[in-house]
Amino acid sequence: SYVLAQPPSVSVAPGQTARISCGGNNIGSKRVHWYQQKAGQAPVLVVHDNSDRPSGIPERFSGSNSGNTATLTISRVEAGDEADFYCQVWDNSPDHSWVFGGGTKLTVL
Amino acid sequence: EVQLLESGGGLVQPGGSLRLSCAASGFTFSSYAMNWVRQAPGKGLEWVSSISDGGSRKYYADSVKGRFTISRDNSKNTLYLEMNSLRAEDTAVYYCARGDSRLFDYWGQGTLVTVSS
Repeated sequence: SYVLAQPPSVSVAPGQTARISCGGNNIGSKRVHWYQQKAGQAPVLVVHDNSDRPSGIPERFSGSNSGNTATLTISRVEAGDEADFYCQVWDNSPDHSWVFGGGTKLTVL
Repeated sequence: EVQLLESGGGLVQPGGSLRLSCAASGFTFSSYAMNWVRQAPGKGLEWVSSISDGGSRKYYADSVKGRFTISRDNSKNTLYLEMNSLRAEDTAVYYCARGDSRLFDYWGQGTLVTVSS
């Protein structure tokens, strides 16, 4: 089955740029989706199909995907961005499955 | 406004059964695939099961295949998860999530299932 690898943690100062990676075999050929989960809350979709933002998500959140790595980029990080972030893809080998990365804890210093 | 409200969680002994429900509102329920995703305490997200808009196609994670059954009642705008032969490792918050067969665009607040003697 398909495996997605994320760093356990990323730290960044307010106002700086955070980059969270998501590694997978030829992930560039898949559509990657990103979720933000704040403490005690349900996940929220923040980027879909590699780089598109749902309505209501700030432009500070962006995504890219190429080769074996997808990246979620958060510009001008704010204290309120502190959360766990998960990447996710759909895989059909050998059967339909929805795969999540292990999650990355974003800490705003 | 899309709303998903899970219910049915609780404490159950190993080997026991539980049925979760998810009441949907704010969108045309019968037009969307629906899903269950769980999160063990302090752990990451794990996809559990998905069902197509009409209910004819169902998919399960290997960890629950043969023990869990997903179903839906489009006349009641409700999604279900029947869980049998529960194990300690099934302990988690179970989220109901709307999908479009690729991703999960809206999530409920979750219901906690604890499997313990």
